Amino acid sequence: QKEVEQNSGPLSVPEGAIASLNCTYSDRGSQSFFWYRQYSGKSPELIMFIYSNGDKEDGRFTAQLNKASQYVSLLIRDSQPSDSATYLCAASGSYIPTFGRGTSLIVHP
Amino acid sequence: EPEVTQTPSHQVTQMGQEVILRCVPISNHLYFYWYRQILGQKVEFLVSFYNNEISEKSEIFDDQFSVERPDGSNFTLKIRSTKLEDSAMYFCASVLGTGELFFGEGSRLTVL
Repeated sequence: QKEVEQNSGPLSVPEGAIASLNCTYSDRGSQSFFWYRQYSGKSPELIMFIYSNGDKEDGRFTAQLNKASQYVSLLIRDSQPSDSATYLCAASGSYIPTFGRGTSLIVHP
Repeated sequence: EPEVTQTPSHQVTQMGQEVILRCVPISNHLYFYWYRQILGQKVEFLVSFYNNEISEKSEIFDDQFSVERPDGSNFTLKIRSTKLEDSAMYFCASVLGTGELFFGEGSRLTVL
Protein backbone atom coordinates (compact mmCIF):
# COMPACT_ATOMS: atom_id res chain seq x y z
CA GLN A 1 0.00 0.00 0.00
CA LYS A 2 1.52 3.29 -1.09
CA GLU A 3 1.16 5.92 1.61
CA VAL A 4 2.06 9.57 1.85
CA GLU A 5 2.00 10.97 5.36
CA GLN A 6 1.64 14.57 6.40
CA ASN A 7 0.94 16.26 9.69
CA SER A 8 -2.58 17.64 9.36
CA GLY A 9 -1.75 20.76 11.39
CA PRO A 10 -2.81 23.45 11.54
CA LEU A 11 0.61 25.02 11.26
CA SER A 12 0.34 28.63 12.33
CA VAL A 13 3.07 31.13 11.44
CA PRO A 14 3.25 34.92 11.58
CA GLU A 15 3.33 36.94 8.39
CA GLY A 16 6.88 37.21 7.06
CA ALA A 17 8.10 34.01 8.72
CA ILE A 18 9.27 30.79 7.10
CA ALA A 19 6.69 27.99 6.98
CA SER A 20 8.10 24.47 6.88
CA LEU A 21 5.88 21.65 5.65
CA ASN A 22 6.95 18.02 5.75
CA CYS A 23 5.94 14.77 4.12
CA THR A 24 7.10 11.16 4.16
CA TYR A 25 6.29 8.46 1.64
CA SER A 26 6.32 4.67 1.85
CA ASP A 27 6.98 3.59 -1.75
CA ARG A 28 10.71 3.52 -2.47
CA GLY A 29 9.87 3.29 -6.16
CA SER A 30 8.49 6.83 -6.13
CA GLN A 31 10.42 9.05 -8.49
CA SER A 32 8.43 12.27 -8.74
CA PHE A 33 7.24 14.45 -5.91
CA PHE A 34 4.78 17.29 -5.98
CA TRP A 35 3.47 20.01 -3.74
CA TYR A 36 -0.03 21.31 -4.36
CA ARG A 37 -1.88 24.13 -2.66
CA GLN A 38 -5.62 23.72 -2.09
CA TYR A 39 -7.87 26.50 -0.91
CA SER A 40 -11.09 25.44 0.78
CA GLY A 41 -13.63 24.21 -1.77
CA LYS A 42 -11.19 24.56 -4.65
CA SER A 43 -9.08 22.17 -6.69
CA PRO A 44 -5.40 21.44 -6.00
CA GLU A 45 -3.02 23.84 -7.71
CA LEU A 46 0.53 22.71 -8.51
CA ILE A 47 3.20 24.74 -6.72
CA MET A 48 6.35 22.72 -7.31
CA PHE A 49 7.68 19.36 -8.38
CA ILE A 50 11.02 17.75 -7.61
CA TYR A 51 12.66 14.63 -8.97
CA SER A 52 16.24 14.75 -7.70
CA ASN A 53 17.71 14.69 -4.21
CA GLY A 54 18.50 18.12 -2.86
CA ASP A 55 16.82 21.48 -3.03
CA LYS A 56 14.82 23.16 -5.74
CA GLU A 57 13.91 26.82 -5.44
CA ASP A 58 11.15 28.76 -7.18
CA GLY A 59 10.55 32.26 -5.89
CA ARG A 60 9.53 32.08 -2.24
CA PHE A 61 9.19 28.29 -2.37
CA THR A 62 11.89 25.68 -1.86
CA ALA A 63 11.26 21.97 -2.17
CA GLN A 64 13.66 19.53 -0.57
CA LEU A 65 13.93 15.83 -1.33
CA ASN A 66 15.82 13.12 0.53
CA LYS A 67 15.15 9.77 -1.10
CA ALA A 68 17.24 7.83 1.41
CA SER A 69 14.99 9.08 4.22
CA GLN A 70 11.86 9.04 2.00
CA TYR A 71 11.24 12.62 3.01
CA VAL A 72 10.03 15.67 1.13
CA SER A 73 9.60 19.17 2.47
CA LEU A 74 8.38 22.55 1.32
CA LEU A 75 9.66 25.82 2.71
CA ILE A 76 7.71 29.00 2.16
CA ARG A 77 9.74 32.14 2.83
CA ASP A 78 8.18 35.49 3.71
CA SER A 79 4.82 33.83 4.33
CA GLN A 80 1.77 35.91 3.45
CA PRO A 81 -1.83 35.62 4.66
CA SER A 82 -2.73 34.60 1.09
CA ASP A 83 -0.56 31.50 1.58
CA SER A 84 -3.11 30.24 4.11
CA ALA A 85 -4.37 27.01 2.58
CA THR A 86 -3.95 23.24 2.76
CA TYR A 87 -0.71 21.98 1.23
CA LEU A 88 -0.84 18.54 -0.35
CA CYS A 89 2.22 16.41 -0.88
CA ALA A 90 2.08 13.78 -3.63
CA ALA A 91 4.46 11.02 -4.68
CA SER A 92 4.44 9.15 -7.96
CA GLY A 93 6.29 6.15 -9.31
CA SER A 94 4.19 5.39 -12.34
CA TYR A 95 2.21 8.44 -13.45
CA ILE A 96 -0.30 7.84 -10.63
CA PRO A 97 0.39 10.39 -7.89
CA THR A 98 -0.64 9.35 -4.39
CA PHE A 99 -1.65 12.24 -2.19
CA GLY A 100 -1.24 12.86 1.50
CA ARG A 101 -4.04 14.28 3.64
CA GLY A 102 -2.49 17.73 3.50
CA THR A 103 -1.21 20.18 6.09
CA SER A 104 -3.32 23.20 6.91
CA LEU A 105 -1.22 26.38 7.01
CA ILE A 106 -2.46 29.54 8.67
CA VAL A 107 -0.44 32.73 8.19
CA HIS A 108 -1.60 35.38 10.64
CA PRO A 109 -0.93 39.10 10.18
CA GLU B 1 -3.14 29.46 -20.32
CA PRO B 2 -4.77 26.13 -21.22
CA GLU B 3 -6.87 24.58 -18.52
CA VAL B 4 -8.92 21.53 -17.69
CA THR B 5 -12.64 22.30 -17.66
CA GLN B 6 -15.28 20.31 -15.83
CA THR B 7 -19.07 20.30 -15.89
CA PRO B 8 -21.30 20.47 -13.97
CA SER B 9 -19.75 22.38 -11.10
CA HIS B 10 -22.37 20.98 -8.74
CA GLN B 11 -24.87 18.16 -9.17
CA VAL B 12 -27.48 17.00 -6.72
CA THR B 13 -29.01 13.59 -7.36
CA GLN B 14 -31.15 10.99 -5.67
CA MET B 15 -29.62 7.73 -4.49
CA GLY B 16 -29.77 5.11 -7.22
CA GLN B 17 -29.70 7.60 -10.09
CA GLU B 18 -27.05 7.68 -12.81
CA VAL B 19 -24.67 10.61 -12.99
CA ILE B 20 -22.30 11.67 -15.76
CA LEU B 21 -19.49 14.08 -15.00
CA ARG B 22 -17.73 15.71 -17.93
CA CYS B 23 -14.22 16.97 -18.46
CA VAL B 24 -12.31 18.58 -21.29
CA PRO B 25 -8.60 17.92 -20.65
CA ILE B 26 -5.80 20.13 -21.94
CA SER B 27 -5.60 19.34 -25.64
CA ASN B 28 -2.03 18.10 -26.03
CA HIS B 29 -1.98 16.13 -22.78
CA LEU B 30 -1.62 12.38 -22.95
CA TYR B 31 -2.88 10.94 -19.68
CA PHE B 32 -6.25 11.70 -18.11
CA TYR B 33 -7.37 10.97 -14.59
CA TRP B 34 -10.31 11.06 -12.27
CA TYR B 35 -9.69 11.64 -8.60
CA ARG B 36 -12.22 12.22 -5.85
CA GLN B 37 -12.11 13.98 -2.51
CA ILE B 38 -14.70 13.29 0.15
CA LEU B 39 -15.18 16.34 2.35
CA GLY B 40 -12.33 16.66 4.83
CA GLN B 41 -10.44 13.70 3.41
CA LYS B 42 -7.57 13.21 1.03
CA VAL B 43 -7.55 13.29 -2.75
CA GLU B 44 -8.00 9.68 -3.89
CA PHE B 45 -7.14 8.17 -7.25
CA LEU B 46 -10.00 6.55 -9.17
CA VAL B 47 -8.81 5.82 -12.69
CA SER B 48 -6.28 6.79 -15.34
CA PHE B 49 -6.86 6.77 -19.08
CA TYR B 50 -4.26 6.64 -21.84
CA ASN B 51 -4.55 6.02 -25.54
CA ASN B 52 -8.33 5.69 -25.31
CA GLU B 53 -8.37 2.99 -22.69
CA ILE B 54 -8.11 2.57 -18.94
CA SER B 55 -4.47 2.23 -17.93
CA GLU B 56 -4.98 1.81 -14.20
CA LYS B 57 -7.82 1.88 -11.69
CA SER B 58 -8.13 1.81 -7.92
CA GLU B 59 -10.24 -0.40 -5.66
CA ILE B 60 -12.76 2.43 -5.44
CA PHE B 61 -13.38 2.23 -9.19
CA ASP B 62 -15.78 -0.71 -9.09
CA ASP B 63 -18.42 -1.87 -11.58
CA GLN B 64 -20.66 1.11 -10.92
CA PHE B 65 -18.05 3.44 -12.41
CA SER B 66 -17.08 3.79 -16.05
CA VAL B 67 -15.07 6.24 -18.12
CA GLU B 68 -15.25 7.16 -21.78
CA ARG B 69 -13.68 9.51 -24.24
CA PRO B 70 -16.59 9.62 -26.66
CA ASP B 71 -15.42 12.22 -29.15
CA GLY B 72 -11.69 12.75 -28.79
CA SER B 73 -12.00 15.79 -26.53
CA ASN B 74 -14.51 15.10 -23.77
CA PHE B 75 -13.62 12.67 -21.01
CA THR B 76 -16.54 11.42 -18.92
CA LEU B 77 -17.01 9.62 -15.61
CA LYS B 78 -20.29 7.77 -15.21
CA ILE B 79 -21.61 6.52 -11.91
CA ARG B 80 -24.40 4.05 -12.71
CA SER B 81 -26.34 3.87 -9.45
CA THR B 82 -25.24 6.48 -6.98
CA LYS B 83 -24.92 5.81 -3.26
CA LEU B 84 -24.80 8.25 -0.38
CA GLU B 85 -21.08 7.58 0.02
CA ASP B 86 -20.43 8.75 -3.54
CA SER B 87 -20.97 12.32 -2.36
CA ALA B 88 -17.64 13.99 -2.98
CA MET B 89 -15.75 16.43 -5.14
CA TYR B 90 -14.67 14.73 -8.35
CA PHE B 91 -11.59 16.12 -10.04
CA CYS B 92 -10.49 15.52 -13.59
CA ALA B 93 -6.79 15.98 -14.29
CA SER B 94 -4.47 15.66 -17.23
CA VAL B 95 -0.74 15.23 -17.69
CA LEU B 96 1.51 16.12 -20.60
CA GLY B 97 4.03 13.39 -19.90
CA THR B 98 6.34 14.73 -17.23
CA GLY B 99 4.05 13.75 -14.38
CA GLU B 100 2.62 17.04 -13.15
CA LEU B 101 -1.14 16.77 -12.83
CA PHE B 102 -3.22 19.76 -13.82
CA PHE B 103 -6.62 19.65 -12.17
CA GLY B 104 -9.96 20.99 -13.27
CA GLU B 105 -12.10 23.02 -10.88
CA GLY B 106 -14.00 19.92 -9.85
CA SER B 107 -17.58 18.70 -9.87
CA ARG B 108 -19.28 18.53 -6.51
CA LEU B 109 -21.66 15.57 -6.34
CA THR B 110 -24.29 15.47 -3.62
CA VAL B 111 -26.30 12.25 -3.31
CA LEU B 112 -29.50 12.50 -1.27
